[in-house]
Amino acid sequence: ETGVTQTPRHLVMGMTNKKSLKCEQHLGHNAMYWYKQSAKKPLELMFVYNFKEQTENNSVPSRFSPECPNSSHLFLHLHTLQPEDSALYLCASSQEGAPRTDTQYFGPGTRLTVL
Amino acid sequence: GENVEQHPSTLSVQEGDSAVIKCTYSDSASNYFPWYKQELGKRPQLIIDIRSNVGEKKDQRIAVTLNKTAKHFSLHITETQPEDSAVYFCAATSGGSARQLTFGSGTQLTVLP
Repeated sequence: ETGVTQTPRHLVMGMTNKKSLKCEQHLGHNAMYWYKQSAKKPLELMFVYNFKEQTENNSVPSRFSPECPNSSHLFLHLHTLQPEDSALYLCASSQEGAPRTDTQYFGPGTRLTVL
Repeated sequence: GENVEQHPSTLSVQEGDSAVIKCTYSDSASNYFPWYKQELGKRPQLIIDIRSNVGEKKDQRIAVTLNKTAKHFSLHITETQPEDSAVYFCAATSGGSARQLTFGSGTQLTVLP
C-alpha cells in the first residue's frame, strides 16, 4: 500500500486500558507527526519526529507516549486515558532537508473512543 | 506562538458560484501556507500551498492569495461543484519551521446543486 497508513482505524478503550496506535509511511520521508483532531477544533500538533529523533512535544500529557523506531514507523502508546481524549488521531509525514517539499501527507486516522 | 484564525466557519454557495475562505496569522516569520481539504470520514489532503515569496498561486479552479503585510491569505474556488463540498483548513508555519504547522479551525463548504 502506498502513502501513509494507520492501524487500527477505530479503537474503543476503557480508561484503565493500554493500547497503541501505529502509523507507517511508504513515501521515503524522514519526518513524522502525530495530530489530534477533535470536533469543532483545529488540528492540534502533538509530536514531531525528524530522522527518528523527537524534535517537538507540544505540551502533551504523559499518558500519550510516542515511539519512532525508524523513519517509516511511528507509534502512539496510550494508557490511562480520559474521555476527553476521544478524537481522531492523525499521522502525517514529510520530507525534511534537501529536497524539502514542506508538504505533509496525512494518514486516514484512528477514531479513538475512551469510555 | 502562531495563531491562525479562519473565517467563515460555514459557507454555502450555489453550484457554479465562487467561494472564498480567509485566514489570518500572527507570526511574521511564517513562510509557508498550505490549504487542506477534508471530506467526511477521510484524511486531510493538500489542495494548494503558497510560500511567502509569492503573492498568488493558481491551479485550475483553485487559487490562493497572500498578503504578507496584512498577514492574511485566502482560498478562492471558482465554478464550484458539489464534489467541492468538504471542510477546508488553512495552516501556517510557526517560527519559520516547516514542521510546526498551526491550523485554522476549518470551514465547512457546502455546494448546493
